[in-house]
Amino acid sequence: EAQVTQNPRYLITVTGKKLTVTCSQNMNHEYMSWYRQDPGLGLRQIYYSMNVEVTDKGDVPEGYKVSRKEKRNFPLILESPSPNQTSLYFCASTKRPPGPKTGANVLTFGAGSRLTVL
Amino acid sequence: SQQGEEDPQALSIQEGENATMNCSYKTSINNLQWYRQNSGRGLVHLILIRSNEREKHSGRLRVTLDTSKKSSSLLITASRAADTASYFCATLYGNNRLAFGKGNQVVVIP
Repeated sequence: EAQVTQNPRYLITVTGKKLTVTCSQNMNHEYMSWYRQDPGLGLRQIYYSMNVEVTDKGDVPEGYKVSRKEKRNFPLILESPSPNQTSLYFCASTKRPPGPKTGANVLTFGAGSRLTVL
Repeated sequence: SQQGEEDPQALSIQEGENATMNCSYKTSINNLQWYRQNSGRGLVHLILIRSNEREKHSGRLRVTLDTSKKSSSLLITASRAADTASYFCATLYGNNRLAFGKGNQVVVIP
């Protein structure tokens, strides 16, 4: 089944304890992205990746890192989590990167990872 | 800032009624997408309308696009309890990003 898989789905952690949220897709998609969702703020993009070894900042990258060493994986790293990073996180992917000529292609989303930082 | 903005933000209707929500955007687009999110779950793509299309249907969904007004609407006809969800519009933002509006919560009362 074509899907985007995120882990963990739920996590409670403490301030400063490094954590990684994994994201994997089995559709050979080039473009992958991380969003966070907070009440009243909608979805905000954290980082995105156009392809392997190509990553770029979204709207709210502070406090996060990403890497794209393989096409299928796009982990989100919180080096020193803080309470303001408590949120619902989504990974998403699409076959081709969106662009001015092609527009935006349909994203496939993971089920989400609910993170609480105490 | 978000490219798309839905209006109204929350809507409560009786089962069988129609639900309409709107989205505005700021820059010219190639296409506009609508997604649905059931409570706390991942977004699911509903429909994509291209900039040269004015209206598109998919089952009980009808999407319109007015590029002169930079706006789109999503109509759900004959709503069902299962349509209770948040609905987001999304457009290309910058060169390589897809930006979402804040979402429109729809509650369908059985």
